[in-house]
Amino acid sequence: GAVVSQHPSWVICKSGTSVKIECRSLDFQATTMFWYRQFPKQSLMLMATSNEGSKATYEQGVEKDKFLINHASLTLSTLTVTSAHPEDSSFYICSARDFPEAFFGQGTRLTVV
Amino acid sequence: AQSVTQLDSQVPVFEEAPVELRCNYSSSVSVYLFWYVQYPNQGLQLLLKYLSGSTLVESINGFEAEFNKSQTSFHLRKPSVHISDTAEYFCAVSVLNTGFQKLVFGTGTRLLVSP
Repeated sequence: GAVVSQHPSWVICKSGTSVKIECRSLDFQATTMFWYRQFPKQSLMLMATSNEGSKATYEQGVEKDKFLINHASLTLSTLTVTSAHPEDSSFYICSARDFPEAFFGQGTRLTVV
Repeated sequence: AQSVTQLDSQVPVFEEAPVELRCNYSSSVSVYLFWYVQYPNQGLQLLLKYLSGSTLVESINGFEAEFNKSQTSFHLRKPSVHISDTAEYFCAVSVLNTGFQKLVFGTGTRLLVSP
């Protein structure tokens, strides 16, 4: 299947700083990527849909100014957690559609201290 | 809105025993159905999918799932599990009215295989 690479796999940052997570589709072009958040022992919560060349579509309750998404090319989407706080600590996973399937990155464990 | 229900949060089973992980969905329109597996601190891997055609779909590692439209179910089964099958399993649906774009996930079932 197709490969989606997510980087970094884990990051620890200080409260108040910003963290950028990258998601790349390595062997296919993805006009649409998705960002999820997963709490321990819970399911994936869709945060936003990232569209190449246009603004991301955020799910209800997700703060656009805190979770900045950029999809500048057909193979790269980035999620920036701005002014991170401990409650933003979570496992973030990206996904790219190679229709009809969805392929997932390895996930990023974010810990804000 | 569509939803996916995985009634069992955890399923303990002995090695070489059969297992069934249940998944029910709610949607009045055409759906695509998926099962994903997640190992600790990793992303999701596609296990199998139903798009159309035969209602019984199989994976390369012995899992199978059957699409039952009347019962709106897509249960995952394996006749004999291995220790290495221990993982979290997610059922997901994408529906026609979103252009099959969005995936909605169930809450997951943790399969625990013991010797």
